Amino acid sequence: KQEVTQIPAALSVPEGENLVLNCSFTDSAIYNLQWFRQDPGKGLTSLLLIQSSQREQTSGRLNASLDKSSGRSTLYIAASQPGDSATYLCAVKRGSTLGRLYFGRGTQLTVWP
Amino acid sequence: DTGVSQDPRHKITKRGQNVTFRCDPISEHNRLYWYRQTLGQGPEFLTYFQNEAQLEKSRLLSDRFSAERPKGSFSTLEIQRTEQGDSAMYLCASSFAGDAYEQYFGPGTRLTVT
Repeated sequence: KQEVTQIPAALSVPEGENLVLNCSFTDSAIYNLQWFRQDPGKGLTSLLLIQSSQREQTSGRLNASLDKSSGRSTLYIAASQPGDSATYLCAVKRGSTLGRLYFGRGTQLTVWP
Repeated sequence: DTGVSQDPRHKITKRGQNVTFRCDPISEHNRLYWYRQTLGQGPEFLTYFQNEAQLEKSRLLSDRFSAERPKGSFSTLEIQRTEQGDSAMYLCASSFAGDAYEQYFGPGTRLTVT
């Protein structure tokens, strides 16, 4: 059974800081990994998807890396802004024919001005 | 708006009543997923469809839950004889093979069972 853990559970930083969110998973046989953002009471917004053959993906101030052999991914947020405040979730998919994503509990990020 | 849509956005019902939720995926997406999320937890998988075929069901999907996607387009999730433990956010997502099965989520339906 795939288990996904996210550390830290909560993070509070001043505006402008660079920060790293961590995600680990127990079964390294994954198809891809997605990072999502969730605002309170809302659905999930996909931020980045990394295929199992890739090492990293970048979108704007976000960079996600994947080390499949060690079962880890990190989401790097550069120059954080108050608008980045949200819960960040990572999720892994085990195979192309297996539909489900396995989610962590998320990291609740607060960026204060 | 070409994203995933869900209806209703909020539903309050009394214990024992039946409820039905609808999800409309992104039009070219052939896969559709249902998840449930409770406060402070990540979403938990319930079931998914490829076109009209239901290919995978979680053990969370008890016999009070049923999902359909009759024409391979929209989907419905029905909960019969609701219990207070069914209170949660019900999320729908869709994907297609050409996009590495990246899942795009709708806004969710918040269910409160009183």
